[in-house]
Amino acid sequence: AQKITQTQPGMFVQEKEAVTLDCTYDTSDQSYGLFWYKQPSSGEMIFLIYQGSYDEQNATEGRYSLNFQKARKSANLVISASQLGDSAMYFCAMREGRPNFGNEKLTFGTGTRLTIIP
Amino acid sequence: GAGVSQSPSNKVTEKGKDVELRCDPISGHTALYWYRQRLGQGLEFLIYFQGNSAPDKSGLPSDRFSAERTGESVSTLTIQRTQQEDSAVYLCASSADYLSTDTQYFGPGTRLTVL
Repeated sequence: AQKITQTQPGMFVQEKEAVTLDCTYDTSDQSYGLFWYKQPSSGEMIFLIYQGSYDEQNATEGRYSLNFQKARKSANLVISASQLGDSAMYFCAMREGRPNFGNEKLTFGTGTRLTIIP
Repeated sequence: GAGVSQSPSNKVTEKGKDVELRCDPISGHTALYWYRQRLGQGLEFLIYFQGNSAPDKSGLPSDRFSAERTGESVSTLTIQRTQQEDSAVYLCASSADYLSTDTQYFGPGTRLTVL
């Protein structure tokens, strides 16, 4: 089974609208971390937001928020008021196990290509 | 402060040749990771260093791949007898083990093309 599933290969969204990028995960660990990265056409991987499995509040970072539904094993990224510069690939990733405990490798999904339409 | 740097940014080589890819992590980050990204795909984990030791080499695809890290800083990924299937972007990341989130910060990558 895939550990990280991103079911939307591509999305087109009108500028200034909100967008939700889906991510579901599969793990038997109680402790894990979920990450979202943005990869523009330049190729760099830019960290956006982190959610720990024991965090009770949904993570937020500026226009980014993570809709964490633990029972459903989903960690969707919400981008509010989208901008043209948000056009990029977006990857969801998971670290299984406790942080800084030798389990730090990330497992990535296949990504969603987001295109913002002016 | 300076981010993760990688060199070269692009490498074109002939099948059968050896290549070395270099990564300079963020200063003070003790953890270092190598990933591979084939065209149009997500990232695949290759190897993880904690300090100079590599507790997790599980992602190295074959014995043609090796990596070392010296002085808790620079790391080199070596691919021997390159094959066309090795063509990919090789990304390095580092993280600080004194933080609770262990977020990995990535370098710009090395694009390897094997002809």
